[in-house]
Amino acid sequence: SQQGEEDPQALSIQEGENATMNCSYKTSINNLQWYRQNSGRGLVHLILIRSNEREKHSGRLRVTLDTSKKSSSLLITASRAADTASYFCATGVRYGGSQGNLIFGKGTKLSVKP
Amino acid sequence: DVKVTQSSRYLVKRTGEKVFLECVQDMDHENMFWYRQDPGLGLRLIYFSYDVKMKEKGDIPEGYSVSREKKERFSLILESASTNQTSMYLCASSSQRGAGANVLTFGAGSRLTVL
Repeated sequence: SQQGEEDPQALSIQEGENATMNCSYKTSINNLQWYRQNSGRGLVHLILIRSNEREKHSGRLRVTLDTSKKSSSLLITASRAADTASYFCATGVRYGGSQGNLIFGKGTKLSVKP
Repeated sequence: DVKVTQSSRYLVKRTGEKVFLECVQDMDHENMFWYRQDPGLGLRLIYFSYDVKMKEKGDIPEGYSVSREKKERFSLILESASTNQTSMYLCASSSQRGAGANVLTFGAGSRLTVL
């Protein structure tokens, strides 16, 4: 069952520009998380925003959450070539009695050109 | 440095072989997960476990089984590998408590090719 859907699927920008990725989801959530994946590697957690929060910052990352629209956005400011990666949103849902499970979207592939 | 370690980065197996993918975490996490990742399909949950000897099916458990005999180890088993199980397999773990609850730490992945 696919919960989150990222948009766009692919994004290409120049170094120094800002990158914005969006995520939409379908059901009620406890929290929404963003992860990053470098090519051929595992995912790395970036930031978590709870359902009662609207905005959160971490370094060059800014995440917003609109629960009425069931959507979130990830903004990376002043992008660098090293930000080139795939970015995934994941929503925390209840599954078989446990609260520990995340459902992932298909990801946005970001390419930052030097 | 906390870690989730997957035993094999690359494996090549033949159709019908039994395949074991091992995952070990050193963070004393209660929850452990196996996902598979395929182009265009994203990450899909195969099985997860929230306690020793406990397991629950995810979205795509068919053709797979798991074992969790110790808290730190979660194994994925392909009883009879098939070509449609060629994929990247990702293990992850998370705590059930504290500020980091439900944040996943992933291993580096195991790329399995079934011929």
